[in-house]
Amino acid sequence: DSGVTQTPKHLITATGQRVTLRCSPRSGDLSVYWYQQSLDQGLQFLIQYYNGEERAKGNILERFSAQQFPDLHSELNLSSLELGDSALYFCASSPRTGVAAFFGQGTRLTVV
Amino acid sequence: EDQVTQSPEALRLQEGESSSLNCSYTVSGLRGLFWYRQDPGKGPEFLFTLYSAGEEKEKERLKATLTKKESFLHITAPKPEDSATYLCAVPTIRGGRDDKIIFGKGTRLHILP
Repeated sequence: DSGVTQTPKHLITATGQRVTLRCSPRSGDLSVYWYQQSLDQGLQFLIQYYNGEERAKGNILERFSAQQFPDLHSELNLSSLELGDSALYFCASSPRTGVAAFFGQGTRLTVV
Repeated sequence: EDQVTQSPEALRLQEGESSSLNCSYTVSGLRGLFWYRQDPGKGPEFLFTLYSAGEEKEKERLKATLTKKESFLHITAPKPEDSATYLCAVPTIRGGRDDKIIFGKGTRLHILP
C-alpha cells in the first residue's frame, strides 16, 4: 500500500458526460501528479500541483481540468467525455518536486 | 526534447535465467532516475532512485545501475513472480524549476516457470 488513495476504483459513464476523479496523497506529501494510461500505452503526464498551485502541465486536453485543495487532496475533472478517454487514470504524490512519486491504484474509466 | 527510451519492449526468460533491461535518457541535467514495477491493472510501485553515474542499488533479485547516458536493471535468477512491466522515469526541469516526471514505455518481463 503506497498510502495514495484514489476513488472511485471503477467508473462507467456515457459519452458527453462529466466525471470527477479524486486523489488523497500520502500524509505530508505536497506534490500531486496525474497520469493517463491507455490500453498498452505508456504513462502520459497530465498535470502536477504543488501545495495548491499548478506547477507543470503535459498534453492535457482542454476538456480536462484539475485542482488541489487546501487539505492537499486533488481532483481531476473530465468533461464532454469521448470513447477515447477510456483509460486508467493514476494519481501520484511526493513530498516535493523532483523526487520519486508514489502511485495510487488508479481509477479505471470506461466511456460507453 | 526530454526523452526516456526503454529496451527491449518485451522479454521472456526462463526461471533462473538472468538478464538486463535498458533505459536511455536525454534530459537537461539529470537530477535522478527512478525505476518502478507495474503489475497489470495496478499502479506503478516504486523500486529505486539513482542520482549519479556509478551508483548502484539492490533489492532482492534486482540491481539498478546508472551511467551518464543510461541505466540498467539487472535481474538475477528471476522467478515467475518477477513478471511485470518495469518502468524507468526521470524528473525534468524547465525554466530552472522542477517540471514533470516523464516515463519510458516500459519493458514487459515474463518469467516462465
